[in-house]
Amino acid sequence: DQQVKQNSPSLSVQEGRISILNCDYTNSMFDYFLWYKKYPAEGPTFLISISSIKDKNEDGRFTVFLNKSAKHLSLHIVPSQPGDSAVYFCAALTQGGSEKLVFGKGTKLTVNP
Amino acid sequence: DADVTQTPRNRITKTGKRIMLECSQTKGHDRMYWYRQDPGLGLRLIYYSFDVKDINKGEISDGYSVSRQAQAKFSLSLESAIPNQTALYFCATSDPSLGGRGETQYFGPGTRLLVL
Repeated sequence: DQQVKQNSPSLSVQEGRISILNCDYTNSMFDYFLWYKKYPAEGPTFLISISSIKDKNEDGRFTVFLNKSAKHLSLHIVPSQPGDSAVYFCAALTQGGSEKLVFGKGTKLTVNP
Repeated sequence: DADVTQTPRNRITKTGKRIMLECSQTKGHDRMYWYRQDPGLGLRLIYYSFDVKDINKGEISDGYSVSRQAQAKFSLSLESAIPNQTALYFCATSDPSLGGRGETQYFGPGTRLLVL
C-alpha cells in the first residue's frame, strides 16, 4: 500500500511557465517531507524539504507547499527552465524515526523550450 | 571524483547466479543505504547500516543480503538472482550531524541489473 503517492507520472510545461508537481500521503506519522530530483543515469539529488510545522518553504525558483489537513504537498517551479526536465520524487520521514525515506513513484517533468 | 561510487554500473546475469553490487563512499559518512527502483515505482529501501556493526532490514530485504566491510564500503548481494530482481539499484550515504533530516542522503549513480 503506497504511503506516498504521486498520481501524475508525467507533466509537460512550457519554458517560463509554472510547473506544479503534486504528492499525497496517507501516513499521519510523517512529519518531514522532501523532494528529490533525478536526471537519467544519475542518482537522485536533494532539492527542497519542509517540516510539518510549516506550510511553505521557498528556495529560489522552488517552493514547496504543505497542506496537513489534506495530507497533500506540492512543488512549484517558477519559472520553469529546460534544465528542470527530470524525474521528481516526493519522499517522507516519520517523526522520531531514522532516516528511512519513503518515496513516491516519481513524476517526469518535461520543460519545453 | 564522485563521492559515492557504485560498481558495476550495468550487469546482466542469469537466474540462479550469485552476484554482488558494491558501493564505496569518500564522504566519511557512517550511514549507508541500498535502494531499488523499478519502472513506475519509487525507490524502496532494501537494507541500511548506521555504522560498521549495525545492519538493518528495510522494506524489501527478502532475497538480498549485505555486508558492511568498512565505513566506506557497503555491498549488496543477491544469493540466487531471479528475474523480478531486475531493477535499478542505488546506494546512498548520510550524515545526520550535518543537520536537517534526509537532506544529507547522497546517492550513487546506480547499477542497472538485468536478470535473465
